[in-house]
Amino acid sequence: SAVISQKPSRDICQRGTSLTIQCQVDSQVTMMFWYRQQPGQSLTLIATANQGSEATYESGFVIDKFPISRPNLTFSTLTVSNMSPEDSSIYLCSVEGAGGEGRYGYTFGSGTRLTVV
Amino acid sequence: LAKTTQPISMDSYEGQEVNITCSHNNIATNDYITWYQQFPSQGPRFIIQGYKTKVTNEVASLFIPADRKSSTLSLPRVSLSDTAVYYCLVGPWAGAGSYQLTFGKGTKLSVIP
Repeated sequence: SAVISQKPSRDICQRGTSLTIQCQVDSQVTMMFWYRQQPGQSLTLIATANQGSEATYESGFVIDKFPISRPNLTFSTLTVSNMSPEDSSIYLCSVEGAGGEGRYGYTFGSGTRLTVV
Repeated sequence: LAKTTQPISMDSYEGQEVNITCSHNNIATNDYITWYQQFPSQGPRFIIQGYKTKVTNEVASLFIPADRKSSTLSLPRVSLSDTAVYYCLVGPWAGAGSYQLTFGKGTKLSVIP
């Protein structure tokens, strides 16, 4: 199955600054997904990133706040811009699973725990 | 996407079989049922997926009745390491062109020694 490396694993940032989160996959994938998980809550999809085109954002999320890059089939970045304490969450990237996880499963990175102070 | 309802939490002793039921009354014809497991400080991990009847793998079994309005994840002989949050998701499989995974609140399973 796909292996995802997500960096950084955690960070503490000052409000008003930006943080870029990297997601590297060990195989080529068409779609990459970015999720947010607020403390004690479930996961919410932020956007879907397709290589070579603009990311598709879910309701409540905008490109100016969460710009996404997808330069090739194995890599994507999510930037959390002009951060406020409300952005403190775990951010996860995900790709379609393969191999041992079954045809229909998805693989998730270990997440980036962001704290904004 | 079909909404899912599952218990917020469950407790079980080590060695017992645990059954977590998920209700999805509005499941569509092309929807699959997928379960994920999430440990603290980790991303969710795919456990099992099914469409109807019973599916079994090395980790769990998934029971789906004929009307598909509910499903039950069965974990045999749980251990302390099975303490996690378990999510039930319902939606079309990836090849159908719809990729959104809608996570409910999940069931927090606590395994007691």
